[in-house]
Amino acid sequence: NAGVTQTPKFRILKIGQSMTLQCAQDMNHNYMYWYRQDPGMGLKLIYYSVGAGITDKGEVPNGYNVSRSTTEDFPLRLELAAPSQTSVYFCASKSSNTGELFFGEGSRLTVL
Amino acid sequence: GESVGLHLPTLSVQEGDNSIINCAYSNSASDYFIWYKQESGKGPQFIIDIRSNMDKRQGQRVTVLLNKTVKHLSLQIAATQPGDSAVYFCAENIGSGNTGKLIFGQGTTLQVKP
Repeated sequence: NAGVTQTPKFRILKIGQSMTLQCAQDMNHNYMYWYRQDPGMGLKLIYYSVGAGITDKGEVPNGYNVSRSTTEDFPLRLELAAPSQTSVYFCASKSSNTGELFFGEGSRLTVL
Repeated sequence: GESVGLHLPTLSVQEGDNSIINCAYSNSASDYFIWYKQESGKGPQFIIDIRSNMDKRQGQRVTVLLNKTVKHLSLQIAATQPGDSAVYFCAENIGSGNTGKLIFGQGTTLQVKP
Protein backbone atom coordinates (compact mmCIF):
# COMPACT_ATOMS: atom_id res chain seq x y z
CA ASN A 1 0.00 0.00 0.00
CA ALA A 2 1.94 3.01 -1.29
CA GLY A 3 -0.59 5.69 -0.30
CA VAL A 4 -0.29 8.91 -2.34
CA THR A 5 2.59 8.95 -4.82
CA GLN A 6 3.79 12.10 -6.55
CA THR A 7 6.22 12.44 -9.44
CA PRO A 8 8.56 14.09 -10.10
CA LYS A 9 9.99 15.03 -6.70
CA PHE A 10 12.00 17.90 -8.16
CA ARG A 11 11.81 19.83 -11.41
CA ILE A 12 13.28 23.01 -12.84
CA LEU A 13 11.35 24.71 -15.63
CA LYS A 14 12.04 27.69 -17.82
CA ILE A 15 9.45 30.46 -18.08
CA GLY A 16 6.80 29.51 -20.60
CA GLN A 17 7.42 25.76 -20.50
CA SER A 18 4.66 23.28 -19.69
CA MET A 19 4.65 20.22 -17.53
CA THR A 20 2.41 17.81 -15.67
CA LEU A 21 2.77 16.81 -12.05
CA GLN A 22 1.56 13.28 -11.54
CA CYS A 23 -0.40 12.04 -8.53
CA ALA A 24 -1.64 8.53 -7.90
CA GLN A 25 -3.32 6.92 -4.90
CA ASP A 26 -4.01 3.26 -4.29
CA MET A 27 -6.52 3.64 -1.47
CA ASN A 28 -9.61 3.89 -3.70
CA HIS A 29 -10.39 7.36 -2.36
CA ASN A 30 -12.91 9.40 -4.31
CA TYR A 31 -11.77 12.81 -3.07
CA MET A 32 -8.43 14.15 -4.23
CA TYR A 33 -6.76 17.55 -3.92
CA TRP A 34 -3.84 19.63 -5.13
CA TYR A 35 -2.27 22.15 -2.79
CA ARG A 36 0.75 24.41 -3.16
CA GLN A 37 3.01 25.57 -0.38
CA ASP A 38 5.17 28.65 -0.72
CA PRO A 39 8.23 29.05 1.56
CA GLY A 40 7.29 29.65 5.19
CA MET A 41 3.59 29.50 4.45
CA GLY A 42 0.68 27.16 4.84
CA LEU A 43 -0.83 25.20 1.97
CA LYS A 44 -3.29 26.71 -0.49
CA LEU A 45 -5.86 24.69 -2.44
CA ILE A 46 -5.46 24.75 -6.22
CA TYR A 47 -8.00 22.20 -7.47
CA TYR A 48 -9.94 19.30 -6.11
CA SER A 49 -11.99 16.37 -7.34
CA VAL A 50 -14.84 14.48 -5.70
CA GLY A 51 -14.62 11.55 -8.10
CA ALA A 52 -13.65 10.43 -11.57
CA GLY A 53 -14.78 12.94 -14.18
CA ILE A 54 -15.47 15.71 -11.67
CA THR A 55 -13.09 18.57 -10.86
CA ASP A 56 -13.48 22.01 -9.36
CA LYS A 57 -11.42 25.09 -8.59
CA GLY A 58 -9.93 25.82 -5.22
CA GLU A 59 -8.50 29.02 -3.82
CA VAL A 60 -5.65 29.57 -6.34
CA PRO A 61 -6.50 27.81 -9.66
CA ASN A 62 -5.12 30.35 -12.15
CA GLY A 63 -2.35 28.94 -14.33
CA TYR A 64 -3.26 25.32 -13.64
CA ASN A 65 -5.48 22.62 -15.06
CA VAL A 66 -6.47 19.20 -13.81
CA SER A 67 -8.21 16.09 -15.06
CA ARG A 68 -9.60 13.02 -13.32
CA SER A 69 -10.14 10.21 -15.79
CA THR A 70 -9.69 7.48 -13.18
CA THR A 71 -10.19 7.19 -9.42
CA GLU A 72 -6.47 6.57 -8.93
CA ASP A 73 -4.91 9.45 -10.87
CA PHE A 74 -5.19 13.21 -10.53
CA PRO A 75 -2.56 15.01 -12.65
CA LEU A 76 -1.92 18.75 -12.36
CA ARG A 77 -0.88 20.61 -15.52
CA LEU A 78 1.00 23.88 -15.79
CA GLU A 79 0.60 25.27 -19.31
CA LEU A 80 2.86 28.35 -19.30
CA ALA A 81 5.15 28.23 -16.30
CA ALA A 82 5.78 31.51 -14.49
CA PRO A 83 8.19 32.32 -11.64
CA SER A 84 5.17 32.81 -9.36
CA GLN A 85 4.53 29.09 -9.70
CA THR A 86 7.76 28.23 -7.96
CA SER A 87 6.49 26.25 -5.00
CA VAL A 88 6.13 22.83 -3.45
CA TYR A 89 3.05 21.01 -4.69
CA PHE A 90 1.21 18.47 -2.57
CA CYS A 91 -1.39 16.02 -3.71
CA ALA A 92 -3.79 14.52 -1.18
CA SER A 93 -6.67 12.10 -1.02
CA LYS A 94 -9.40 11.80 1.58
CA SER A 95 -10.65 8.65 3.24
CA SER A 96 -14.43 8.44 3.14
CA ASN A 97 -14.31 6.28 6.27
CA THR A 98 -12.27 8.49 8.59
CA GLY A 99 -12.27 11.80 6.72
CA GLU A 100 -8.51 11.99 7.11
CA LEU A 101 -6.45 13.56 4.33
CA PHE A 102 -3.37 11.65 3.21
CA PHE A 103 -0.69 13.78 1.59
CA GLY A 104 2.04 12.81 -0.82
CA GLU A 105 5.68 13.72 -0.25
CA GLY A 106 5.46 16.76 -2.50
CA SER A 107 6.89 17.93 -5.81
CA ARG A 108 9.31 20.86 -5.63
CA LEU A 109 9.04 23.03 -8.73
CA THR A 110 11.33 25.92 -9.62
CA VAL A 111 10.57 28.20 -12.56
CA LEU A 112 13.50 30.28 -13.82
CA GLY B 1 -12.00 37.10 4.01
CA GLU B 2 -11.21 33.84 5.66
CA SER B 3 -7.88 33.45 7.32
CA VAL B 4 -6.31 31.12 9.78
CA GLY B 5 -3.33 32.29 11.73
CA LEU B 6 -0.96 31.07 14.34
CA HIS B 7 0.27 33.37 17.05
CA LEU B 8 3.94 32.47 17.14
CA PRO B 9 6.20 31.41 14.25
CA THR B 10 8.59 29.50 16.51
CA LEU B 11 8.19 27.73 19.85
CA SER B 12 11.15 26.30 21.69
CA VAL B 13 10.56 23.87 24.56
CA GLN B 14 12.60 21.55 26.74
CA GLU B 15 12.22 17.83 26.20
CA GLY B 16 9.62 16.50 28.62
CA ASP B 17 7.79 19.80 28.97
CA ASN B 18 4.30 20.39 27.63
CA SER B 19 3.87 22.45 24.44
CA ILE B 20 0.97 24.68 23.55
CA ILE B 21 0.55 25.92 19.99
CA ASN B 22 -2.14 28.49 19.31
CA CYS B 23 -4.25 29.37 16.29
CA ALA B 24 -6.88 32.00 15.52
CA TYR B 25 -9.47 31.75 12.80
CA SER B 26 -11.77 34.38 11.35
CA ASN B 27 -14.79 32.54 9.94
CA SER B 28 -17.29 32.07 12.73
CA ALA B 29 -19.30 29.67 10.54
CA SER B 30 -16.44 27.16 10.32
CA ASP B 31 -17.41 23.84 11.86
CA TYR B 32 -14.38 21.61 11.43
CA PHE B 33 -10.71 22.14 12.28
CA ILE B 34 -7.62 20.00 11.92
CA TRP B 35 -4.05 20.11 13.20
CA TYR B 36 -1.25 18.87 10.96
CA LYS B 37 2.40 18.12 11.61
CA GLN B 38 4.90 18.66 8.81
CA GLU B 39 8.44 17.36 9.05
CA SER B 40 11.13 18.75 6.81
CA GLY B 41 10.79 17.59 3.22
CA LYS B 42 7.53 15.74 3.84
CA GLY B 43 3.84 16.29 3.38
CA PRO B 44 1.54 17.30 6.25
CA GLN B 45 0.48 14.52 8.57
CA PHE B 46 -2.88 14.48 10.36
CA ILE B 47 -2.63 14.84 14.13
CA ILE B 48 -6.09 15.49 15.48
CA ASP B 49 -9.34 17.15 14.47
CA ILE B 50 -12.28 18.75 16.21
CA ARG B 51 -15.79 19.72 15.21
CA SER B 52 -17.48 22.91 16.31
CA ASN B 53 -19.96 21.04 18.55
CA MET B 54 -17.04 20.12 20.82
CA ASP B 55 -14.66 22.27 22.85
CA LYS B 56 -12.05 19.63 23.63
CA ARG B 57 -10.75 16.46 22.06
CA GLN B 58 -7.94 14.24 23.23
CA GLY B 59 -5.63 11.91 21.40
CA GLN B 60 -2.44 10.16 22.31
CA ARG B 61 -0.35 12.86 24.06
CA VAL B 62 -2.24 15.57 22.18
CA THR B 63 -5.27 17.65 23.06
CA VAL B 64 -7.06 20.19 20.92
CA LEU B 65 -9.12 22.94 22.52
CA LEU B 66 -11.65 25.01 20.63
CA ASN B 67 -13.01 28.33 21.88
CA LYS B 68 -15.69 29.45 19.45
CA THR B 69 -16.41 32.62 21.39
CA VAL B 70 -13.01 34.10 20.55
CA LYS B 71 -12.41 31.93 17.46
CA HIS B 72 -9.33 30.31 18.85
CA LEU B 73 -7.98 26.80 18.95
CA SER B 74 -4.89 25.32 20.49
CA LEU B 75 -2.87 22.15 20.29
CA GLN B 76 -1.35 20.83 23.48
CA ILE B 77 1.40 18.23 23.32
CA ALA B 78 2.21 16.47 26.57
CA ALA B 79 5.75 15.41 27.49
CA THR B 80 7.23 16.82 24.29
CA GLN B 81 9.81 14.59 22.64
CA PRO B 82 12.57 15.33 20.10
CA GLY B 83 10.47 13.54 17.48
CA ASP B 84 7.81 16.21 17.92
CA SER B 85 10.11 18.79 16.32
CA ALA B 86 8.32 19.93 13.18
CA VAL B 87 6.11 22.66 11.77
CA TYR B 88 2.53 22.54 13.03
CA PHE B 89 -0.39 23.91 11.04
CA CYS B 90 -3.96 24.47 12.01
CA ALA B 91 -6.42 24.19 9.16
CA GLU B 92 -9.98 25.35 8.81
CA ASN B 93 -12.43 23.41 6.66
CA ILE B 94 -14.22 25.32 3.90
CA GLY B 95 -17.89 24.50 3.71
CA SER B 96 -20.07 22.41 5.94
CA GLY B 97 -18.71 19.14 7.24
CA ASN B 98 -15.42 17.61 6.19
CA THR B 99 -14.98 18.68 2.58
CA GLY B 100 -11.20 18.33 2.57
CA LYS B 101 -10.99 21.88 1.23
CA LEU B 102 -8.80 23.53 3.81
CA ILE B 103 -7.41 26.94 4.65
CA PHE B 104 -4.08 26.55 6.41
CA GLY B 105 -2.43 28.90 8.85
CA GLN B 106 1.20 29.90 8.36
CA GLY B 107 2.55 27.35 10.78
CA THR B 108 4.48 27.25 14.05
CA THR B 109 7.90 25.65 14.17
CA LEU B 110 8.30 23.56 17.32
CA GLN B 111 11.88 23.08 18.45
CA VAL B 112 12.50 20.55 21.20
CA LYS B 113 15.70 21.00 23.15
CA PRO B 114 17.23 17.83 24.65
